[in-house]
Amino acid sequence: GAGVSQSPSNKVTEKGKDVELRCDPISGHTALYWYRQRLGQGLEFLIYFQGNSAPDKSGLPSDRFSAERTGESVSTLTIQRTQQEDSAVYLCASSLALGGYEQYFGPGTRLTVT
Amino acid sequence: GDSVTQMEGPVTLSEEAFLTINCTYTATGYPSLFWYVQYPGEGLQLLLKATKADDKGSNKGFEATYRKETTSFHLEKGSVQVSDSAVYFCALSKETSGSRLTFGEGTQLTVNP
Repeated sequence: GAGVSQSPSNKVTEKGKDVELRCDPISGHTALYWYRQRLGQGLEFLIYFQGNSAPDKSGLPSDRFSAERTGESVSTLTIQRTQQEDSAVYLCASSLALGGYEQYFGPGTRLTVT
Repeated sequence: GDSVTQMEGPVTLSEEAFLTINCTYTATGYPSLFWYVQYPGEGLQLLLKATKADDKGSNKGFEATYRKETTSFHLEKGSVQVSDSAVYFCALSKETSGSRLTFGEGTQLTVNP
């Protein structure tokens, strides 16, 4: 069956521009997670959704970052006024529910801010 | 806060060698522990997991045992193959934190023929 998909796969943008990253989770998965992997660093948690509710936004690095989810479907991560330090691979994962179920990861979006 | 520490890489081994990648964690409560693997050009995928103390996770010849007394979850394989070359990530999650994953830095493994 279809896995988690993300688009675009690559995005190059100029500093100061806004970008929108998209994640399509596995159908029926109620939990959705966003992570970021900067070059040479580990993965860091950004935000998660249970349904379309985001109970924990503590991982978002600044108020330039926001995310939303439509029902139990697609999610978008928006970065406003991008900065060079935002350059990273942004990964999305979904799981059947909260509570220790396996998280299935998408291929990621590589964002480069020039 | 919660954290995961992995042995630094990169690790280079010959085929059929024994592999250990160390992982220790700091966490309150009762985390679940995971090893994820990222093969070249592929997405992150779950390798194995353990949800409580003394549980052993295993998959594809890899094993890891949840040791609460030493707060460790070391990954082992008795005989590695070239196809095991990948980046390995240790991670933990807690239901009280929405089951979000806290990752270690990752360990690059290269297996030479």
